Amino acid sequence: AQKVTQAQTEISVVEKEDVTLDCVYETRDTTYYLFWYKQPPSGELVFLIRRNSFDEQNEISGRYSWNFQKSTSSFNFTITASQVVDSAVYFCALSEAGGYNKLIFGAGTRLAVHP
Amino acid sequence: GAGVSQSPRYKVTKRGQDVALRCDPISGHVSLYWYRQALGQGPEFLTYFNYEAQQDKSGLPNDRFSAERPEGSISTLTIQRTEQRDSAMYRCASSWHRGGTNTGELFFGEGSRLTVL
Repeated sequence: AQKVTQAQTEISVVEKEDVTLDCVYETRDTTYYLFWYKQPPSGELVFLIRRNSFDEQNEISGRYSWNFQKSTSSFNFTITASQVVDSAVYFCALSEAGGYNKLIFGAGTRLAVHP
Repeated sequence: GAGVSQSPRYKVTKRGQDVALRCDPISGHVSLYWYRQALGQGPEFLTYFNYEAQQDKSGLPNDRFSAERPEGSISTLTIQRTEQRDSAMYRCASSWHRGGTNTGELFFGEGSRLTVL
């Protein structure tokens, strides 16, 4: 069975601190996809990234970076120099290969960035 | 519109009533998904369409839940004989523009918050 675990329920940091959100997944598939979504206080879900299981290269996009390690079944998300606008709930998700996006979401991590 | 549009945004109903939630996906998107999100939880998959065909309904909790997308565009999620446990945010998402590449990105609507009294 597929499962995504985000062990950190809430994280609170002060602006400009770096913060890492953990994501651990379980799947029996050899081909799968991993995602991160952001849910700001306004409530919408915003796509951040998708990685496939064959691409373990780390990804950097501005202040955001992602570390994918198959050996530990983890896909962690780091925000460098956090800002108040980063305050949101962040969801990690997993989908199996099959041509569609039946995402299994984790419970989310609520990040609060204080000035 | 430019994004995924859902209506109503808020629905309060009494136990036992039927409700219909509507989703208008991004124009030209092939795939349409319904998810349900309970408070403090991540979204949970309900069902999925490619064009008008319902490809997977394995996430629908029971036979009181049904969905359709008759013309391959707008979709309706119907809950019959609502129960208090059906209270949640129901989110629609669409993806994959016809003729384009499926990047895997889901575009979510703002959701319909259902409260069953």
